[in-house]
Amino acid sequence: GAGVSQTPSNKVTEKGKYVELRCDPISGHTALYWYRQSLGQGPEFLIYFQGTGAADDSGLPNDRFFAVRPEGSVSTLKIQRTERGDSAVYLCASSLQGQGHEQYFGPGTRLTVT
Amino acid sequence: GEDVEQSLFLSVREGDSSVINCTYTDSSSTYLYWYKQEPGAGLQLLTYIFSNMDMKQDQRLTVLLNKKDKHLSLRIADTQTGDSAIYFCAETPRGDYKLSFGAGTTVTVRA
Repeated sequence: GAGVSQTPSNKVTEKGKYVELRCDPISGHTALYWYRQSLGQGPEFLIYFQGTGAADDSGLPNDRFFAVRPEGSVSTLKIQRTERGDSAVYLCASSLQGQGHEQYFGPGTRLTVT
Repeated sequence: GEDVEQSLFLSVREGDSSVINCTYTDSSSTYLYWYKQEPGAGLQLLTYIFSNMDMKQDQRLTVLLNKKDKHLSLRIADTQTGDSAIYFCAETPRGDYKLSFGAGTTVTVRA
């Protein structure tokens, strides 16, 4: 079956602009996660959705970052007033449920802020 | 994450076994995972082990867990060129849903 997909695969934007990154989870997976991976590091947790609600957004670095999942499937990560330090690969993962289930990752969106 | 540590590089000859090591700090972690990342690709779940197990074998992969020392290892038998990648160890602290990753071990397979 289809895995997790993310669009766009690459995004280049100017400092100060707004960007949206999209994630399509595996069909039937109720849990969805966003992570951020900086160069040479492992992914770091940003936010976790169970269904439509954000169950844990403690990893979002500041209030410029926001994510939604209005129908419990597709999710959008939104970044306002982008900064050069936001440049990273943004990874989305989904799992059948939350705790104790394997997370399957998408290919990521590489965001470059110039 | 700072809670999970891995050595950064490993070079291995094709056909030999690779052993990638990882230490973690949270003794309440219920699951420990190994992910593989190839250049420009996302993370592929290789295998995982539940914390009440000492060992898990899956084809060429063997995971060993030493809970006392909080040490996890991944052994790849008969390493192939396609095994060249970055390998990440991850835990779920406090039985949580968030994965906490190490910085990754870059494995290079030489002919």
